[in-house]
Amino acid sequence: DTEVTQTPKHLVMGMTNKKSLKCEQHMGHRAMYWYKQKAKKPPELMFVYSYEKLSINESVPSRFSPECPNSSLLNLHLHALQPEDSALYLCASSQEGQGAISGYTFGSGTRLTVV
Amino acid sequence: DAKTTQPNSMESNEEEPVHLPCNHSTISGTDYIHWYRQLPSQGPEYVIHGLTSNVNNRMASLAIAEDRKSSTLILHRATLRDAAVYYCILRDTTGTASKLTFGTGTRLQVTL
Repeated sequence: DTEVTQTPKHLVMGMTNKKSLKCEQHMGHRAMYWYKQKAKKPPELMFVYSYEKLSINESVPSRFSPECPNSSLLNLHLHALQPEDSALYLCASSQEGQGAISGYTFGSGTRLTVV
Repeated sequence: DAKTTQPNSMESNEEEPVHLPCNHSTISGTDYIHWYRQLPSQGPEYVIHGLTSNVNNRMASLAIAEDRKSSTLILHRATLRDAAVYYCILRDTTGTASKLTFGTGTRLQVTL
């Protein structure tokens, strides 16, 4: 299995809702990432998990809460989002460890609309 | 993070080679040069990476300048399916967690 699977593919949520985005990989990758991409812009890094521990938080608002239950799963919990949070949310994974030089594998993303 | 500079857009005719340039004058000795592409409505896709020597794979070739301050991604025969945004990224692999920071990329248009 050489894929990163993201669910759901599309999500519409109200500003008072709580929802979760899910990401799964079975390549044995020990680093997983969340990116946010607005239309016609490059992906922006949000969080990095290394060996199931949060290692980088790019000053993301607390209404986004990541979770890594095990080495294959990554969740992004959403609460009290704003319309400007509407975007494509991308999950990625890679081998990790000092000297690791492999490429990242990206999922196809969850397109989130906040109404 | 060391930055890269790419042209905003390029055009190519189908079946012709395409050379996508990237400048990275502040590259450090531990930075690998990665290329990704993003087709419409999809996540980014890994294309190729290298450190000092030129690299070839089934998708493309990567030519790295001797001083490593620039590189060129070469698509040998462009097809309509190669129309995408191509990102040149420096990946610092020191430390236990590294991050991939995207620049603005080059939008490649391929025409018949």
